[in-house]
Amino acid sequence: RKEVEQDPGPFNVPEGATVAFNCTYSNSASQSFFWYRQDCRKEPKLLMSVYSSGNEDGRFTAQLNRASQYISLLIRDSKLSDSATYLCVVNINYGGSQGNLIFGKGTKLSVKP
Amino acid sequence: DAGVTQSPTHLIKTRGQQVTLRCSPKSGHDTVSWYQQALGQGPQFIFQYYEEEERQRGNFPDRFSGHQFPNYSSELNVNALLLGDSALYLCASRGSRDSFSGANVLTFGAGSRLTVL
Repeated sequence: RKEVEQDPGPFNVPEGATVAFNCTYSNSASQSFFWYRQDCRKEPKLLMSVYSSGNEDGRFTAQLNRASQYISLLIRDSKLSDSATYLCVVNINYGGSQGNLIFGKGTKLSVKP
Repeated sequence: DAGVTQSPTHLIKTRGQQVTLRCSPKSGHDTVSWYQQALGQGPQFIFQYYEEEERQRGNFPDRFSGHQFPNYSSELNVNALLLGDSALYLCASRGSRDSFSGANVLTFGAGSRLTVL
């Protein structure tokens, strides 16, 4: 089983649609959770951290369920500029140090006019 | 602030050759991590350098080695290149600490795209 698994995608949606990305992680010692966005042939960039209580940033909402080891990202009112690959990322802290980031394979989103 | 800079941006090598990739972290960042991203995959952790020492290592063979210099810049060396080493190599430096989780957010450079023929 892969450490971080995401919907295989791709997702092709019209502008204004609501899109949900799902992600599961296998290591219960995972401590920090993130969604990164990666545009075609560019580097990943942090979209948002994921907090246990859930958090929202404009049209983006992230949820974490530690019991189910499940993370989600919801995009409302999608825009053409949201087209990108969305990477689910977890971090395992070893002995207080940050550890490394473990990335999912990513889910590609294409928003069409 | 130039952010994380990497060089070269693109390069082509043949099997068996050796390659050196370079990274300058964002100003004020002292920890550098290297990731390999194959086409259609997420980035995979290679290793992390802090205080000029390798602190953590992912599941990569000894052909992959690195170095960190006193000015925090870093190099990634890959010996005896294989076709499967073709990938985007990303350098990341430790960014601002997430206020909730305490985790350090990574800032990535634009990467070095290596093609092995």
